[in-house]
Amino acid sequence: QVQLKETGPGLVQPTQTLSITCTVSGFSLTSYYMQWVRQTPGKGLEWMGFIRSGGSTEYNSEFKSRLSISRDTSKNQVFLKMNSLKTEDTGVYYCARSLHLTTGFAYWGQGTLVTVSS
Amino acid sequence: DIVMTQSPSSLAVSAGETVTINCKSSQSLFGSVRQKNYLAWYQQKPGQSPKLLIYLASTRESGVPDRFIGSGSGTDFTLTISSVQAEDLANYYCQQYYDTPFTFGSGTKLEIK
Repeated sequence: QVQLKETGPGLVQPTQTLSITCTVSGFSLTSYYMQWVRQTPGKGLEWMGFIRSGGSTEYNSEFKSRLSISRDTSKNQVFLKMNSLKTEDTGVYYCARSLHLTTGFAYWGQGTLVTVSS
Repeated sequence: DIVMTQSPSSLAVSAGETVTINCKSSQSLFGSVRQKNYLAWYQQKPGQSPKLLIYLASTRESGVPDRFIGSGSGTDFTLTISSVQAEDLANYYCQQYYDTPFTFGSGTKLEIK
């Protein structure tokens, strides 16, 4: 069955870089869009960006040049990297799957809690 | 960016009642090519990830009970939950995916009396 699971560092210091891996099973990354969404106390649910089935990416300009999304199809993994972390980046980070951009985000991972603190 | 405004922010109802949650977008979500509204509704229970209930404004996701009904077009949308059950205790969010950046409403907290 379709499964998504995020793994992250838990605690990150301010100004450092966040790296999260989303490992998927039950489907091919080359057939679906993979989304990244975070949920913070300050802003609620925020869409961060996606990587298309073909491998190109699109980002929320809110994160300017801090954010990078990539994948390794051979390992069924999608990666999120965000630098220059601030305390406001504390929250739960989710990967989610969508079929193109017409049907919403049908499958979500369990999320990984990231705390930005010194 | 498209701003999504949800109301009410919270409500408490008794089991068996009908609930209406509203969502208004700052611009139309109607795509003229496919003649569809790019609006989704999600349910998030405490401690869980969001779950897709409705997409394209009114299409129920597979496995979602038919008491969840999405309606509306353009800029005004509604999620109706008929005969609310105790298991419906959750936060509900609307989301537009008409244009990036995709944006979510601030949520409606549903409590069961």
